[in-house]
Amino acid sequence: DSGVTQTPKHLITATGQRVTLRCSPRSGDLSVYWYQQSLDQGLQFLIQYYNGEERAKGNILERFSAQQFPDLHSELNLSSLELGDSALYFCASSVAGTGGGGYTFGSGTRLTVV
Amino acid sequence: AQKVTQAQTEISVVEKEDVTLDCVYETRDTTYYLFWYKQPPSGELVFLIRRNSFDEQNEISGRYSWNFQKSTSSFNFTITASQVVDSAVYFCALGFLTGANSKLTFGKGITLSVRP
Repeated sequence: DSGVTQTPKHLITATGQRVTLRCSPRSGDLSVYWYQQSLDQGLQFLIQYYNGEERAKGNILERFSAQQFPDLHSELNLSSLELGDSALYFCASSVAGTGGGGYTFGSGTRLTVV
Repeated sequence: AQKVTQAQTEISVVEKEDVTLDCVYETRDTTYYLFWYKQPPSGELVFLIRRNSFDEQNEISGRYSWNFQKSTSSFNFTITASQVVDSAVYFCALGFLTGANSKLTFGKGITLSVRP
């Protein structure tokens, strides 16, 4: 157990639907990062939150949004889902706003859009 | 811009062979971190090693060793006496210390198959 908890582990949904992925960072970590792993794009950074505030944005679609709550857990919302959104979504956490202290990854949420 | 290139896409070896996974990175920053992660068939990302840009000391840890050379921007990873359990996808990644750019940039990954 890495200490980063992602739920659910698997999700199957239909095109056009909306889903929410949840991440609880490792105890003491203030930063949460979201990554998408798809067959064609590889591992891509989506967005980072640090202590409740958005810190950096990557290749995140406008249909996707995220937030970090006061208890530091984070949610990634994916809406108007398309077949191409099928991927493994990872959450990672780190102590600081930077990765110098290392990143801890969760086990991922596998999203299948049918 | 930052970039990580893993030119090898798939490697197949027979058990007990040594195998080296190559990684070349690009960055204009002088302070950065390099990582290797392993992704077994179960899907999770397993941290293997982190090196900062000021630490070019190479290391051996059990069957794993790393060769970091700033002069060639390479951070290669070697598995000695490979085992079937080493079969996985291996990712090299680049990270930074600055808050505005603390994401990890991953290579495309190398699929390693170790045959018995």
